[in-house]
Amino acid sequence: EAGVTQSPTHLIKTRGQQATLRCSPISGHTSVYWYQQALGLGLQFLLWYDEGEERNRGNFPPRFSGRQFPNYSSELNVNALELEDSALYLCASSLSGGVADTQYFGPGTRLTVL
Amino acid sequence: AQSVTQLGSHVSVSEGALVLLRCNYSSSVPPYLFWYVQYPNQGLQLLLKYTSAATLVKGINDFEAEFKKSETSFHLTKPSAHMSDAAEYFCAVSRSGAGSYQLTFGKGTKLSVIP
Repeated sequence: EAGVTQSPTHLIKTRGQQATLRCSPISGHTSVYWYQQALGLGLQFLLWYDEGEERNRGNFPPRFSGRQFPNYSSELNVNALELEDSALYLCASSLSGGVADTQYFGPGTRLTVL
Repeated sequence: AQSVTQLGSHVSVSEGALVLLRCNYSSSVPPYLFWYVQYPNQGLQLLLKYTSAATLVKGINDFEAEFKKSETSFHLTKPSAHMSDAAEYFCAVSRSGAGSYQLTFGKGTKLSVIP
């Protein structure tokens, strides 16, 4: 069974540009989560989508947004990129978004903002 | 609010020695607790999770963790460290509230294994 996949593996942008990151969940999973792992800041929760709806949002500005498609894949958009947005962005999926559900993580997209 | 504290950002053990990684949580209701491992340049892999079925939880690769409510702890142990255990380990807590829930991670503990 294929795991969570993310694309691209690496992304290099300049300050002020927009970045789009993509995630495909495990087949049968309806919930997708996004996390930012920046150096020294640990894993920070960004967004949770389930059945096409945004269910929860972490403490990030509105220029971080995303969506979930009918096939449950998801994309994360970061507008007006800032240097501090450089980080590893991890996507995870779970079966249904229950509090005890296990989240399965993809390998991440490394975003570098110059 | 819930939070997770991992004591020690770096832990070094000798190959074959006991591994002990500490995690304390704060939560006003019984939480769900997870340990994940992250190898360099990879995503997170679940080691084990606690969902109130049993206080001693066994995971993959001989890791286990014990939920101690009185100490609000969920420490991760492994009897004998292997070189391949060198990685970063994250403790996480999940709790529902206000119609939603969030998985909150500790800051991680980097484990080094000395040959």
